[in-house]
Amino acid sequence: GESVGLHLPTLSVQEGDNSIINCAYSNSASDYFIWYKQESGKGPQFIIDIRSNMDKRQGQRVTVLLNKTVKHLSLQIAATQPGDSAVYFCAEKGSGTYKYIFGTGTRLKVLA
Amino acid sequence: EAQVTQNPRYLITVTGKKLTVTCSQNMNHEYMSWYRQDPGLGLRQIYYSMNVEVTDKGDVPEGYKVSRKEKRNFPLILESPSPNQTSLYFCASSVGPPISYEQYFGPGTRLTVT
Repeated sequence: GESVGLHLPTLSVQEGDNSIINCAYSNSASDYFIWYKQESGKGPQFIIDIRSNMDKRQGQRVTVLLNKTVKHLSLQIAATQPGDSAVYFCAEKGSGTYKYIFGTGTRLKVLA
Repeated sequence: EAQVTQNPRYLITVTGKKLTVTCSQNMNHEYMSWYRQDPGLGLRQIYYSMNVEVTDKGDVPEGYKVSRKEKRNFPLILESPSPNQTSLYFCASSVGPPISYEQYFGPGTRLTVT
């Protein structure tokens, strides 16, 4: 598959445990944030998003938390499964623009 | 099947030889965008388009051109490719504001410029 990064920070978790992936974003004026999952050889896939007027949003097995005070975003995955193994990216959209800034990614490894 | 397609998937070319990477979506999306992905740098936005004949620069537009003559197509043009444009390229589309910002990505195009 295509290489998405040779020296990404890696988070290793046991199957069934919860995972927390963190992201620091750059622009305090960003108004929309997204988490993407990228499996080897594929394009990024949308997981969950959150607008800047919220601090928490839940999906199926995933929760995104936004802390605007410290410009921090986190993705929580409940009961992590082998299929969750991938690289995860956060992205932010600047207010009043349609430009996106992506983080450098975190590799999640699920241990059986 | 709703999808974003890119062609070619792999391309090896030489410095200075003009090339075009095509992108097409079948979801009637208004917003389309091109990104490049390099190790350690994540995805960086090259150009985006809000609709037909409406395009704007992303963070790394130098050396690239785009056009949006039809809603479904958004080709990326490298007039004179250079080795620093060797990268993995992704096209993406979304319905667009205010309905949704969720982007659907294509499978990627691996470009090598020698």
